[in-house]
Amino acid sequence: KNEVEQSPQNLTAQEGEFITINCSYSVGISALHWLQQHPGGGIVSLFMLSSGKKKHGRLIATINIQEKHSSLHITASHPRDSAVYICAVYSSLKLTFGTGTRLTIIP
Amino acid sequence: DTGVSQNPRHKITKRGQNVTFRCDPISEHNRLYWYRQTLGQGPEFLTYFQNEAQLEKSRLLSDRFSAERPKGSFSTLEIQRTEQGDSAMYLCASSLGVGEEEKLFFGSGTQLSVL
Repeated sequence: KNEVEQSPQNLTAQEGEFITINCSYSVGISALHWLQQHPGGGIVSLFMLSSGKKKHGRLIATINIQEKHSSLHITASHPRDSAVYICAVYSSLKLTFGTGTRLTIIP
Repeated sequence: DTGVSQNPRHKITKRGQNVTFRCDPISEHNRLYWYRQTLGQGPEFLTYFQNEAQLEKSRLLSDRFSAERPKGSFSTLEIQRTEQGDSAMYLCASSLGVGEEEKLFFGSGTQLSVL
């Protein structure tokens, strides 16, 4: 079993829909990152959080340390949000990544 | 360009050859990570430097892999006697800060194809 599990693996939605991507982890962490990877390999850090909730534009990330669970929400989704979203946990001085969620937003 | 730079972008080599990749992190970043990513998978941790010190190396990394970060600036990742299973995207990331304050930036990666 991977230390970081994401669900769903693939998600297709219509433009405008509310999107939720989940991340569960099994190790103690000091922080959790949500990353976005577009085709071609570029990875961008979206959020780093260790408690509560963060919001940036249409993106919202929440974390529940007790339940070892985090969610990434996208409101009013748009085709340009289509990408792979990766959860990564910071533990023992290194980042461990989930396998990612491939999101496709259809116009 | 002040981001993380990786060279080359693509490398095609024959099985058994040695290859070396370079990563130039953002200048003030003290941490540098190497990851490997294969199709459909998230990045796998390979190794990590704090300044010039290599603090951790993944058990996944065989003795054919070696990384250096002389003077705590750029880093090189060398793979000796390449195998077809080494074909992957090799990603470098650099960061400053710790925990939630860590600002992490990735390079565009080096795509290795071993024929």
